Amino acid sequence: QVQLQESGPGLVKPSQTLTLTCTVSGGSINSDIYYWNWIRQPAGKGLEWIGRIYISGSTNYNPSLKNRVTISVDTSKNQFSLKLSSVTDADTAVYYCARGVGTIENNCDVWGQGTLVTVSS
Amino acid sequence: SFALTQPPSLSVSPGQTATITCSGDKLGDKYTCWYQQKPGQSPVLVIYEDNKRPSGIPERFSGSNSGNSATLTISGTQAMDEADYYCQAWDTNTVVFGGGTKLTVL
Repeated sequence: QVQLQESGPGLVKPSQTLTLTCTVSGGSINSDIYYWNWIRQPAGKGLEWIGRIYISGSTNYNPSLKNRVTISVDTSKNQFSLKLSSVTDADTAVYYCARGVGTIENNCDVWGQGTLVTVSS
Repeated sequence: SFALTQPPSLSVSPGQTATITCSGDKLGDKYTCWYQQKPGQSPVLVIYEDNKRPSGIPERFSGSNSGNSATLTISGTQAMDEADYYCQAWDTNTVVFGGGTKLTVL
């Protein structure tokens, strides 16, 4: 049973870089079947896709965030990470990591529990 | 840019059929999936590739997709189905979510 767990600071100052890590357990991240996604959800609002990475290192990003986002993978640790630079209040949200199946389907069949990140000075 | 539109809310009585729509330009040409999210919980995949149910999802959940709309249907809606539902599709190297529909069962 694959499980995902997000980790990282719960509080980030404005203009700084938000960094989160997703640890995959119960299975290998080094699979050519899956894409590894980051998704966020501001309080009381809907889901927003941030981006994803394939095991080859190939990435896709939300155009609205592309200039600030970097997603990377560390197969030796079975982890993938999110960096979001120049954060503002608008980046306050619950951040989820999720496993996606299919190149054009990206069905997210496994999700982490989510981690709240607050941007505040 | 590609966008998916859902009604913000829907109310049904227990035992009735809930039909949640998701609209987008030529959505029928893309695969759509649906997620259920209950308060304080992570989303759960309930329909993928338009009309397939993951293991463990009740048969009362079904989906369809054609033209410019995809539909999530919950037959014999139960109180436990009260949740937010999101559609998702892929367009031009981007994942797009609908805005979500709050389903109330009363």
